[in-house]
Amino acid sequence: GQQVQQSPASLVLQEGENAELQCNFSSTATQLQWFYQSPGGSLVSLLSNPSGTKHTGRLTSTTVTKERRSSLHISSSQTTDSGTYLCAIDRNSAGNKLTFGIGTRVLVRP
Amino acid sequence: DPKIIQKPKYLVAVTGSEKILICEQYLGHNAMYWYRQSAKKPLEFMFSYSYQKLMDNQTASSRFQPQSSKKNHLDLQITALKPDDSATYFCASSQGQSSGNTLYFGEGSRLIVV
Repeated sequence: GQQVQQSPASLVLQEGENAELQCNFSSTATQLQWFYQSPGGSLVSLLSNPSGTKHTGRLTSTTVTKERRSSLHISSSQTTDSGTYLCAIDRNSAGNKLTFGIGTRVLVRP
Repeated sequence: DPKIIQKPKYLVAVTGSEKILICEQYLGHNAMYWYRQSAKKPLEFMFSYSYQKLMDNQTASSRFQPQSSKKNHLDLQITALKPDDSATYFCASSQGQSSGNTLYFGEGSRLIVV
C-alpha cells in the first residue's frame, strides 16, 4: 500500500480561511518535508520538519514521529496558495531519497 | 533566473526511440537526483548522484541511464521508449547528499511517448 498518505485529497477555501492538511506514513522516517507544487508544475520545498513544530510565514507544520503523522496548517489563505501540497519522507538518513504522497490539491477562491 | 535548467521542457517521442533529458544546476550543489511524476501517481525517486558518483538507483529498468559529465550536470538517457514512460521528469539537487538537505527542483521535462 501507499507509504505516505495525504488527506484530504482536495480542498476549496475562501480567501482568508485557514486549512489543515494531514500526512500519515507507514514506516519510520528520518526526515519529513512538505513541498508545494504550483498549478504549472514547479516544485518548491516549504518546510523540513522531522519532529515537533516549525513555522515559516503563514505555514505551521507539526510532526509527531511516534504516531507517524504530520500536519501542515495554512493560516489566512491567499489565492496564490492554490496548488498541490506534497508530503515526503526519507527513511534512510544516509541518502536524500524521498518517498512522496500523492498530495492535497488546494484551491483558494477570492 | 532558474538555478536548475532542464531541457527540453516538452518532448514528444515515438515508441522505441531514444531520448536524452538534460539537467544543469548552478547552485554549487554536490548531489543531484532524478524524480519522475506520472499521471495520478506520486512523485517517484529514480536516481541519486553525489560528486558525480551513483549513490542510489531505484529504477528497475536499464533503459534509464543517468550520465554525469560534470559535477553540475546529470542527464538522463532513456532508450527503447514505451508509452508508459510518459511522465514529467524532474531533476533536483541538494548541497549534501544526506537526509535533511533541502531539495531544489528544476521545472521538469514533460515527456509524451506515442
